[in-house]
Amino acid sequence: SSELTQDPAVSVALGQTVRITCQGDSLRSYYASWYQQKPGQAPVLVIYGKNNRPSGIPDRFSGSSSGNTASLTITGAQAEDEADYYCNSRDSSANHVAFGGGTKLTVL
Amino acid sequence: EVQLVESGGGLVQPGGSLRLSCAASGFTFSSYWMHWVRQAPGKGLVWVSHIYSDGSSTGYADSVKGRFTISRDNANNTLHLQMNSLRAEDTAVYYCAAAAYSYYYMDVWGKGTTVTVSS
Repeated sequence: SSELTQDPAVSVALGQTVRITCQGDSLRSYYASWYQQKPGQAPVLVIYGKNNRPSGIPDRFSGSSSGNTASLTITGAQAEDEADYYCNSRDSSANHVAFGGGTKLTVL
Repeated sequence: EVQLVESGGGLVQPGGSLRLSCAASGFTFSSYWMHWVRQAPGKGLVWVSHIYSDGSSTGYADSVKGRFTISRDNANNTLHLQMNSLRAEDTAVYYCAAAAYSYYYMDVWGKGTTVTVSS
């Protein structure tokens, strides 16, 4: 299956740690990648592979995976981290890519 | 500067056609997998189609299979999406995205072009 499930909304207090999760059968075989999207902007890749950050992404962003669940952790959330976050992965059986439904992160 | 610029969006009637283009610059386009991803108003990201770096393989979401065709011109650093038999539910911002590290790690995105299907 290529379905990826995310919680619709999560909140975190400024400076605290938050984990955003993504569940799906394909995650047993493939790592998720994670994207941050702010209103009116294009998505930005923040985590890919086992736990890799593209150049320019702060090290407070990290990724992990266990079984059918991938997680994006923000350690010490900042106001500028308030955004929608999407996971994606591949479905090799169908030669497709799937995105999760997205998680809206609110920084309080 | 690494950049993707989409064009070709607009207003089209149901059943009509549009051809989107995506111009790449600042990176070796021919080495990247390329994707189209769309986002309906107020909704999440939805993968539409991919094409391998050499054009040898393509894939489509079930919702667009048989109606949309992806293609690329590596000599001119351009990606295309031919959209036929358009439906109201195809209304969205269409992003092109480039993946270098692996097939689905989309590390370069354009700003998007808006497609509205309405009578």
